[in-house]
Amino acid sequence: NAGVTQTPKFRILKIGQSMTLQCTQDMNHNYMYWYRQDPGMGLKLIYYSVGAGITDKGEVPNGYNVSRSTTEDFPLRLELAAPSQTSVYFCASSRDSKSSTDTQYFGPGTRLTVL
Amino acid sequence: EDKVVQSPLSLVVHEGDTVTLNCSYEVTNFRSLLWYKQEKKAPTFLFMLTSSGIEKKSGRLSSILDKKELFSILNITATQTGDSAVYLCAVATSGSRLTFGEGTQLTVNP
Repeated sequence: NAGVTQTPKFRILKIGQSMTLQCTQDMNHNYMYWYRQDPGMGLKLIYYSVGAGITDKGEVPNGYNVSRSTTEDFPLRLELAAPSQTSVYFCASSRDSKSSTDTQYFGPGTRLTVL
Repeated sequence: EDKVVQSPLSLVVHEGDTVTLNCSYEVTNFRSLLWYKQEKKAPTFLFMLTSSGIEKKSGRLSSILDKKELFSILNITATQTGDSAVYLCAVATSGSRLTFGEGTQLTVNP
């Protein structure tokens, strides 16, 4: 059981470039999430998904897009990278039963720098 | 807008000290409050609290929730250098969304 995996671990982008951050979980969790964490700050929710084919915006969705074609994968797309998107990105997943949905399991993170 | 506030933002103690970390919240549709420990990588889950007044314990760590006063505390007794980390408080609302506080940076010196 690998849990939640993310690739790449590090990336440097130039302004205006695009990229996709990959996230995969092997725990058969229905709920998946993308967060960003700026230095010295807590996590902010970008997008989340409650199941394949269903996505919704979080607190800070501007500049990002997501898709959820399978239960396992939840990629995050940056179309036109900006310096304000320099951050550490965490993917997370959780079960869908009422008693344990709220316990989210996090991937190792992707450190993105936009220059 | 949902809001979670943690205090203090940073704390430096000596090994063996006891610390109390605070988390207050203002949210709609409260479901649960969670504590995470983050050590230079992904957050790891510590506790989930849903009911007032029921203490959750794990070794030297314990936590309690007060839903009337809208806060939670995380206690760590007999601190060790391995407890040095950022401790994050998050509140889950309807739809399983989590709102995080800024975190408390705890440094335990030998």
